[in-house]
This record gives sequence, structure tokens and C-alpha cells, in this order.
Amino acid sequence: GIQVEQSPPDLILQEGANSTLRCNFSDSVNNLQWFHQNPWGQLINLFYIPSGTKQNGRLSATTVATERYSLLYISSSQTTDSGVYFCAVVISNFGNEKLTFGTGTRLTIIP
Amino acid sequence: ETGVTQSPTHLIKTRGQQVTLRCSSQSGHNTVSWYQQALGQGPQFIFQYYREEENGRGNFPPRFSGLQFPNYSSELNVNALELDDSALYLCASSLEGHTYEQYFGPGTRLTVT
Repeated sequence: GIQVEQSPPDLILQEGANSTLRCNFSDSVNNLQWFHQNPWGQLINLFYIPSGTKQNGRLSATTVATERYSLLYISSSQTTDSGVYFCAVVISNFGNEKLTFGTGTRLTIIP
Repeated sequence: ETGVTQSPTHLIKTRGQQVTLRCSSQSGHNTVSWYQQALGQGPQFIFQYYREEENGRGNFPPRFSGLQFPNYSSELNVNALELDDSALYLCASSLEGHTYEQYFGPGTRLTVT
């Protein structure tokens, strides 16, 4: 099956710093989503980004589907950005759009 | 617009027992997927329901089963619970025609002792 690797696995930053999270995937995908999982376990949708670049406030994402990677940028980090960030990809199989999650990046923002 | 809801929030069961978890999909969504997230890992796909039929299954044994109802809500049933079934169980819903973007509920944390 498809492999989804994220780097770095852990990241500790001072409040106000910028960061780049990477997601590499081993096969062509129909879709890619970025999620933030908060300390209570809730997965929050950040971006639906099968290709191209999107921005939402301090966050932006870029997916280069032909090179099989996606990047999530967080600027001017805040303590509320702490948590685990997952990318997840979809390989559509007879209409079954299951998400395959990456290994995650645990981000800790220090005040 | 109502988001995805799950119940119960937490549950403690004994090995060998059976459990039922519930999920109400986001308004207008007719596809529901279930995921299991063990501690420190990413969520793993269990199965998906569309129009009350199972529409794909991950690598989980038959003791994991599900249902989808006409109002698109869903249940996950697990029989003969094992210690390794302890995990966060997440439900996600999506809209037909836009099934690639899935929205997750807050999860049910199951502990098997």
C-alpha cells in the first residue's frame, strides 16, 4: 500500500517562529488533506489540497503532486498551534475514498 | 449547520465484552467512515458506509462491524473486545460528490481492561 512519511517527527519552537512541515507519499493520489489534532483528540481540517497552493491566515500549504510531496507552512507560531499535524492522502478505489494518514509531526510552541 | 458528533465520549469495557459506538454525520453528508487511532499513531481506516452499505474495509477482523441508518448516522460495533482495541475511535463524514474532503467528530476513547 501507499506509504506516507512526515518530517520532522517532532518540532519545538519559540512563540513567533515560523515552521515548515513536510509530507512525502509513495504513489499518485487523488486527494491530500492536512489536519491538526488538538490535545483532546479532535482532528481539525486545515487544507484540502490535491495540488497547488492555498493560504488561510497564518497557515499555507503547497502540494506538488508530480513530485509526491506536500508542505505545510505555519508563520508567527502561537501556543495554540501546538499539537500533532497529520497529512492524509486518498487513493480512490471503486468509490471508497479512504484516508491513509502519515506518521504525524508533533509541534510544541513554547511561550 | 451541525458538525459530526459521536457518543459516548469515553468508555471503559472489560476484555471479551461487546461495545457500540455512535456517530451522527454532518448535515447533508451521506458517507461515513470509521477510523481507529492507537496511542501515538495516526488513524487507521476501519470501514466506510455509503447509502447504508459497506463501501470498503481496512485490515480489521470481522468482529468489527457497522451499520448506517437512513438518516446517515452510523454505528460501530466491536465484539469480543481485546486489550489492543483500546484506542480513540474517530468517525468522519463526507458529502457525495465531494467525498474526498472528510470532516471528523471528536472521537470516542475506548479503554479495554
